[in-house]
Amino acid sequence: AQKVTQAQTEISVVEKEDVTLDCVYETRDTTYYLFWYKQPPSGELVFLIRRNSFDEQNEISGRYSWNFQKSTSSFNFTITASQVVDSAVYFCALSESTRGAGNMLTFGGGTRLMVKP
Amino acid sequence: GAVVSQHPSWVICKSGTSVKIECRSLDFQATTMFWYRQFPKQSLMLMATSNEGSKATYEQGVEKDKFLINHASLTLSTLTVTSAHPEDSSFYICSAPRASKGTQYFGPGTRLLVL
Repeated sequence: AQKVTQAQTEISVVEKEDVTLDCVYETRDTTYYLFWYKQPPSGELVFLIRRNSFDEQNEISGRYSWNFQKSTSSFNFTITASQVVDSAVYFCALSESTRGAGNMLTFGGGTRLMVKP
Repeated sequence: GAVVSQHPSWVICKSGTSVKIECRSLDFQATTMFWYRQFPKQSLMLMATSNEGSKATYEQGVEKDKFLINHASLTLSTLTVTSAHPEDSSFYICSAPRASKGTQYFGPGTRLLVL
């Protein structure tokens, strides 16, 4: 069975600080997909990134960066120079490969990030 | 723009009534859709997999007679919460895989409050 663990339930930082959200996963599949989503107070999930298990290259998108390490089954997310608008709940999720990335997702418990001015 | 829609976005109902939630894929066909439930300050949990033309597959612990799923067409799945009770109050989110894009899209969610 697959499992996603986000050990940090809440993180509070002051604006402009860097913050890393941790994600550890478990799966028996050799092919799988990892995701990060942002959920603002409105509730709608905002897609941030998808990474497949064969691509361990780290990725940077603006202030966001992701560190994927298969050796430790981790897919951590870093926000550089955080802003108040980054305040939200962030979910890490895992999808097995049955239908590419279009299979059901197993979500972590989420990390609530609060960025204070 | 949105590629998966949900209707309604908000619903308040009395205990004992039934509520239908629609999930539509707007510009692609989805033979499979997923229904998730999220209680306040909790994560999203998969409830069921909706399959066009066949019965839905329910996750362990989800009552299929209470949460009726109908995938009547390639662009529409409905979730009906029958005889709703206050403990059914939650945020319900659907998603639809899009094979051509190798990903899936989430609807904006439906907040259900049962009084």
